[in-house]
Amino acid sequence: DIQMTQSPSSLSASVGDRVTITCRASQYIGTYLNWYQQKPGKAPKLLLYASSSLQSGVPSRFSGSGSGTDFTLTISTLQPEDFATYYCQQFYSTPRTFGGGTKVEI
Amino acid sequence: EVQMVESGGGLVQPGGSLRLSCAASGFTFADYWMHWVRQVPGKGLVWVARINSDETSRHYADFVKGRFTISRDNAKSTLSLHMNSLRDEDTAVYYCVRDWIGGFDIWGQGTKVTVSS
Repeated sequence: DIQMTQSPSSLSASVGDRVTITCRASQYIGTYLNWYQQKPGKAPKLLLYASSSLQSGVPSRFSGSGSGTDFTLTISTLQPEDFATYYCQQFYSTPRTFGGGTKVEI
Repeated sequence: EVQMVESGGGLVQPGGSLRLSCAASGFTFADYWMHWVRQVPGKGLVWVARINSDETSRHYADFVKGRFTISRDNAKSTLSLHMNSLRDEDTAVYYCVRDWIGGFDIWGQGTKVTVSS
């Protein structure tokens, strides 16, 4: 199985900050990497697919990059509604493993 | 509106069985692969199982293999997860999820399963 490692596991930030979350795969996954946002008590929401493609309706302040084993999610200007937990997920192979999550807090 | 609604969760004793259902609407269910993902409250997301569009291919996480069965009824736009030999560690919220070119783009609201004596 491919292991996905996110860092940091949590971070404190302020509105307006630039935030970067990293995700590392235990083996090559090309750009078969998605990012999700989850708020408390809610189902996750797909933000980016295939490493850098923005899902419809997702604000452009979210961006993703990377290929191979190292990936990043960047929020250019943090908004109040962005405080949530973020997960990466690989879809290079089954099982479709998730990272452990990064909680973005005030 | 595109949506999926899970049902069937509840309290069950260890060793017991439960069947989760997911009703899809607003899209052509038969065109999509489908998955189940679970989450222990306060913990991360864990992929459980996947079924392809015509039920010819199924995959399971090792920790449910031989105990859980994923199935679908394309005529009724429903996805199911039959869970047998349930363990304490199967306690979680279970989500049905639509697979769109590898991304999980539509999620149900989740149904809670509690395994406890």
